[in-house]
Amino acid sequence: NAGVTQTPKFQVLKTGQSMTLQCAQDMNHNSMYWYRQDPGMGLRLIYYSASEGTTDKGEVPNGYNVSRLNKREFSLRLESAAPSQTSVYFCASSWGSGANVLTFGAGSRLTVL
Amino acid sequence: KNEVEQSPQNLTAQEGEFITINCSYSVGISALHWLQQHPGGGIVSLFMLSSGKKKHGRLIATINIQEKHSSLHITASHPRDSAVYICAVSDRGSTLGRLYFGRGTQLTVWP
Repeated sequence: NAGVTQTPKFQVLKTGQSMTLQCAQDMNHNSMYWYRQDPGMGLRLIYYSASEGTTDKGEVPNGYNVSRLNKREFSLRLESAAPSQTSVYFCASSWGSGANVLTFGAGSRLTVL
Repeated sequence: KNEVEQSPQNLTAQEGEFITINCSYSVGISALHWLQQHPGGGIVSLFMLSSGKKKHGRLIATINIQEKHSSLHITASHPRDSAVYICAVSDRGSTLGRLYFGRGTQLTVWP
């Protein structure tokens, strides 16, 4: 099925470890996003990419890096994980800006001990 | 400061009841989104609207731009409608139409 694929679905890390969340979409969307969702809070934007080769910081970028490898793929990297990064992460994509329908991935639940 | 406020936070209904979830926002918008999130599941876009009203099956979304308010209605609610419903707005003042999300409304429909 067409859509947004995220991996892994679950991950447990120790403080200081690194990992990369992978995201790929097959809808030829230009824009891709990484959000985190924490209990009692709305989704918060970590990074976004308006097109291949461009990335920009969102609301909560500290502790994360991203790569827009090509039009399909947008990865999120935690270089040195901290317990505060325990969250559910969602990748999303759209044709253009936020005024277009968003398609979300299934989410990645990350626990940092 | 929350740019998007949803009410109620939690909502319990009996199967068949008419449901209304409200969303108020404070920024100028280019679009408003209603999203659905099932327990343990991903997030699905239900509606995107910038004016008027949209209907899909038993779901109806309305928006009043002047009052900066939107409602999501579910007619003849069913237990499978149990989910978190999230309102999000695209900021017209943002170059890339940055989205602000509400905290969600947890809906539980009992048989």
